[in-house]
Amino acid sequence: GAVVSQHPSWVICKSGTSVKIECRSLDFQATTMFWYRQFPKQSLMLMATSNEGSKATYEQGVEKDKFLINHASLTLSTLTVTSAHPEDSSFYICSARAPTGSNQPQHFGDGTRLSIL
Amino acid sequence: LAKTTQPISMDSYEGQEVNITCSHNNIATNDYITWYQQFPSQGPRFIIQGYKTKVTNEVASLFIPADRKSSTLSLPRVSLSDTAVYYCLVGVTFLSNQGGKLIFGQGTELSVKP
Repeated sequence: GAVVSQHPSWVICKSGTSVKIECRSLDFQATTMFWYRQFPKQSLMLMATSNEGSKATYEQGVEKDKFLINHASLTLSTLTVTSAHPEDSSFYICSARAPTGSNQPQHFGDGTRLSIL
Repeated sequence: LAKTTQPISMDSYEGQEVNITCSHNNIATNDYITWYQQFPSQGPRFIIQGYKTKVTNEVASLFIPADRKSSTLSLPRVSLSDTAVYYCLVGVTFLSNQGGKLIFGQGTELSVKP
């Protein structure tokens, strides 16, 4: 079945560093991908919708300049956390919407654990 | 998007049937009900989706009453490996070109004991 891959799965970096997370749809083309953030013991919070070839749509309260999203191809979306600080430490998860009519549910990556020191 | 309400946590024992009920009073006509399972440090995994009455697959059943204001996920004969958080979501089906945006509620933390 369809698979979504995230990379890296775990990253630790110093405060002020920018971190890029990749989300790839491995065996299907995804015109739309989604980025979520999840804090410990909490639910997933939708951050933004990533559309191939156009600007991402951000949810209310999510800083566009802080979380840069690029969906340059039909199989890759990237999330860059710019000038990361300890409060940005979280579990970031992406998902990809399968092609219309494919009878496939939305598939999620296995997340990226980001720790900012 | 319709808001969902689930119990925060449930306990069960191996071999028992577990039923998790979700309330979605404001469900729209075009909305489907979808359940996902999430293990710690992993992304959610699709379990089942339905619109009305009953849907069954190899891992679960989904019961939806006629008014569709609630739904019940039924897990037969749970094992320790079913310990996870279960999310009920309401939205347009993935079969539609309008589908996609999923808003997660608090989920139900299921703990299966030996």
